Amino acid sequence: QQQVKQSPQSLIVQKGGISIINCAYENTAFDYFPWYQQFPGKGPALLIAIRPDVSEKKEGRFTISFNKSAKQFSLHIMDSQPGDSATYFCAAKRGYQKVTFGTGTKLQVIP
Amino acid sequence: EPEVTQTPSHQVTQMGQEVILRCVPISNHLYFYWYRQILGQKVEFLVSFYNNEISEKSEIFDDQFSVERPDGSNFTLKIRSTKLEDSAMYFCASSEALDRRIGSNQPQHFGDGTRLSIL
Repeated sequence: QQQVKQSPQSLIVQKGGISIINCAYENTAFDYFPWYQQFPGKGPALLIAIRPDVSEKKEGRFTISFNKSAKQFSLHIMDSQPGDSATYFCAAKRGYQKVTFGTGTKLQVIP
Repeated sequence: EPEVTQTPSHQVTQMGQEVILRCVPISNHLYFYWYRQILGQKVEFLVSFYNNEISEKSEIFDDQFSVERPDGSNFTLKIRSTKLEDSAMYFCASSEALDRRIGSNQPQHFGDGTRLSIL
């Protein structure tokens, strides 16, 4: 019940295209859903986050869509750039408790 | 922007030896965490720490592991007798605390990790 399922495992997108990563959760007690971006040799860096009382949040080229009834959320990267090539983790937590990470999506944006 | 710093960046240790990983959380943060990531896998929670005591720990965090906040700035993870399977990236994270009674939606900020290699 603590799992966060993430797909796809890897994604190749043309420069300028839209990258879409999907996640699903089971624990309805989660109240915070962050996305982390990780480059090789670096720690996870917070990219964008959403609370379950909001259906969409946009920051620049990054948008989270949240469907509370379906217990699903997704990350959309508009106008994808080669510099966006990284591993993306969806995650969930409740209050100050641990972050539960998805399995990660390795994104490659090709010129 | 304030950040979580971890030292060393890479630690190589013989199996059975003790190792201490060090972290300096962001200065006004009160919640501290350790996670690990085995190569190519997802990030796994180890332990959380608040008010000088463990708040939560995973099944990975057995008697070989301990955490400590020895002073006002450092937060350490000790592995007493390392095993080959302890080889991983270890990440420290911290977050602000607002009102613990109602929970907090403060994000956790991660350091760049310590790569632990057990030989």
